[in-house]
Amino acid sequence: NAGVTQTPKFRVLKTGQSMTLLCAQDMNHEYMYWYRQDPGMGLRLIHYSVGEGTTAKGEVPDGYNVSRLKKQNFLLGLESAAPSQTSVYFCASSYPVGQGARDEQFFGPGTRLTVL
Amino acid sequence: GQQLNQSPQSMFIQEGEDVSMNCTSSSIFNTWLWYKQDPGEGPVLLIALYKAGELTSNGRLTAQFGITRKDSFLNISASIPSDVGIYFCAGPIQGAQKLVFGQGTRLTINP
Repeated sequence: NAGVTQTPKFRVLKTGQSMTLLCAQDMNHEYMYWYRQDPGMGLRLIHYSVGEGTTAKGEVPDGYNVSRLKKQNFLLGLESAAPSQTSVYFCASSYPVGQGARDEQFFGPGTRLTVL
Repeated sequence: GQQLNQSPQSMFIQEGEDVSMNCTSSSIFNTWLWYKQDPGEGPVLLIALYKAGELTSNGRLTAQFGITRKDSFLNISASIPSDVGIYFCAGPIQGAQKLVFGQGTRLTINP
C-alpha cells in the first residue's frame, strides 16, 4: 500500500495564479483532511471531508476550496494565490474519528508551496 | 474550543539522555495519539492510547494515558541522533469529526 500520497511535492506560484493539490489514499478511509504548517508552527486544519461528496471548513478555510468526488481523493484548490499562502500543506486520512477504536490519522509527505 | 497544551516547546539534550514531554487539556479525551515529524516530512504515528491509565511502549518510546483523561506523557529513553524532530500529541474533539493537535515539542540532540 502506498498510504497517503500528495502531488506535487513542490510548487512555486506567482500572486494571483491558481493551482490544485491532489491527495490520494489507498486505505479505504472515510475521512480526509487538509492542513497547513508554517515554519516553527503546528498544524492548522483548512478543510476536511467525512465522506465522498461532503466537505466542511476547518480552522483556516479562507482562500481555499476543496472537493471530494471520489472516496480515495481529496483536492485542495487555491483560486488566487497570495504570499500568505506560502506554506507546507499536508493531507491526512482516517477511519471515522471519535468512535473509540481507530482515531489515528495518517499523513502524506507534504507539498511545499511558495507564492511570490 | 478544545486545546492541547504541550510542554516543553523545545528541548536541547545530549545523546544518550532520557526525554520526557507531556500534553494537557482542560477537557477529557478518550484517545491520545503521539506523532513524530522528521525535518521535511509528514507526521508519523508513534503510539496510540485508548484507555485511561494505559502505558504503551514502542521500542525506546513509552507513552501513558493519564488517569484523569486530561493528560498524556511521552518518554524517550537513551536518545539517539535520529530522535531529532518535532513531537506532537493529538486527540479527537468531543462530538466533532477531527483531531486537535498540540503545538509540538522540538527535540534537538547534541552528539
